[in-house]
Amino acid sequence: GAVVSQHPSWVICKSGTSVKIECRSLDFQATTMFWYRQFPKQSLMLMATSNEGSKATYEQGVEKDKFLINHASLTLSTLTVTSAHPEDSSFYICSAPHRWGKNIQYFGAGTRLSVL
Amino acid sequence: AQTVTQSQPEMSVQEAETVTLSCTYDTSESNYYLFWYKQPPSRQMILVIRQEAYKQQNATENRFSVNFQKAAKSFSLKISDSQLGDTAMYFCAFMKHGSDDSWGKFQFGAGTQVVVTP
Repeated sequence: GAVVSQHPSWVICKSGTSVKIECRSLDFQATTMFWYRQFPKQSLMLMATSNEGSKATYEQGVEKDKFLINHASLTLSTLTVTSAHPEDSSFYICSAPHRWGKNIQYFGAGTRLSVL
Repeated sequence: AQTVTQSQPEMSVQEAETVTLSCTYDTSESNYYLFWYKQPPSRQMILVIRQEAYKQQNATENRFSVNFQKAAKSFSLKISDSQLGDTAMYFCAFMKHGSDDSWGKFQFGAGTQVVVTP
């Protein structure tokens, strides 16, 4: 079946550095991808919608300059956490809808970000 | 805006027994989808079951079934013959159907931790 690959699975970085997370659809094209954030023992919260060929749309309260999204191709979206701080430590998950419809989506395995 | 409420933070069930997870939602939309996702310790999100709001028939997937009450805006999940591998966090989710920017976005509930004991 369709697979979404997310990389890295775990990253540790120093405060003030930037971290890039990749989300790749392996056997299908995704013009749209979604980025979620999940704090420990909490639910997934939508951060932004990544759109191939156009700007990402961000949910209310999400800092655009902090979380840069680039949808470079029909199979790749990246989330860059800029100038990361300990409060950015979280689990980040991407999802990509199948071409058959957005109600059929595939999730990446997630990226655990730890900022020291 | 839609809200999804899961009122049970944790449920414990013995192997082979049945457990029911509750989910209620609030929406003014008439066309939407409802989902149950499972998140095991690996944290990979796994689709358990999906229900189209326009379908009156309750969805089933092997040991998993839902009780969809549209008027009451209720969408409960029943896990029958529970197995140790069912231990996970279960999220109820809502997705609006449409052609605008909101389509494709999940609104998740807070989750219910299911623990299956031997």
